[in-house]
Amino acid sequence: KQEVTQIPAALSVPEGENLVLNCSFTDSAIYNLQWFRQDPGKGLTSLLLIQSSQREQTSGRLNASLDKSSGRSTLYIAASQPGDSATYLCAVSHYNTDKLIFGTGTRLQVFP
Amino acid sequence: GAVVSQHPSWVICKSGTSVKIECRSLDFQATTMFWYRQFPKQSLMLMATSNEGSKATYEQGVEKDKFLINHASLTLSTLTVTSAHPEDSSFYICSARDSGGSDGEELFFGEGSRLTVL
Repeated sequence: KQEVTQIPAALSVPEGENLVLNCSFTDSAIYNLQWFRQDPGKGLTSLLLIQSSQREQTSGRLNASLDKSSGRSTLYIAASQPGDSATYLCAVSHYNTDKLIFGTGTRLQVFP
Repeated sequence: GAVVSQHPSWVICKSGTSVKIECRSLDFQATTMFWYRQFPKQSLMLMATSNEGSKATYEQGVEKDKFLINHASLTLSTLTVTSAHPEDSSFYICSARDSGGSDGEELFFGEGSRLTVL
């Protein structure tokens, strides 16, 4: 059974810092991995999608890497801003299924 | 990106009543939609997979008679919580994949529906 874990569970940093959020999964036979952002009481916003054949994806100040063999992904946020404050979730899917298995999330707070 | 709309965004009901939540793909067709629930400060848990024109597939431990799912068209799936009880109070989120889009395997999520059962 696939289990997805995120570390740290919570993070509070001053504005401007570069951050690394970690995601690990127990079954490396994934199809893709996706990072999401969730604001309090809101739905999910997709940030980055990495196919199993890819090593990383970049969008603006965000960079996500994937090491499938070791079951790890990292989300790098450069020059953090207060507007980045949210919960970040990673999720993996497997071949022949659309199901996403979510991690436990990292609650990020960036203070001015 | 594609838009998924949920309605209502929040609902309060009395114990024993039924509540219907709608999930619509606004600018794309989705043969498959997914329903998740999220308890406070916890991650999302998949409840069921909604398939257009056929029965939904429920995850282990989810009561199919309790959570009725109907996917009657390519743009609409509904989740009905029947005979709701306070323990059903949760945040329900749907997602959908563009069946014919160029976004690959990306899933789009609704804004969620917060259900409070008194």
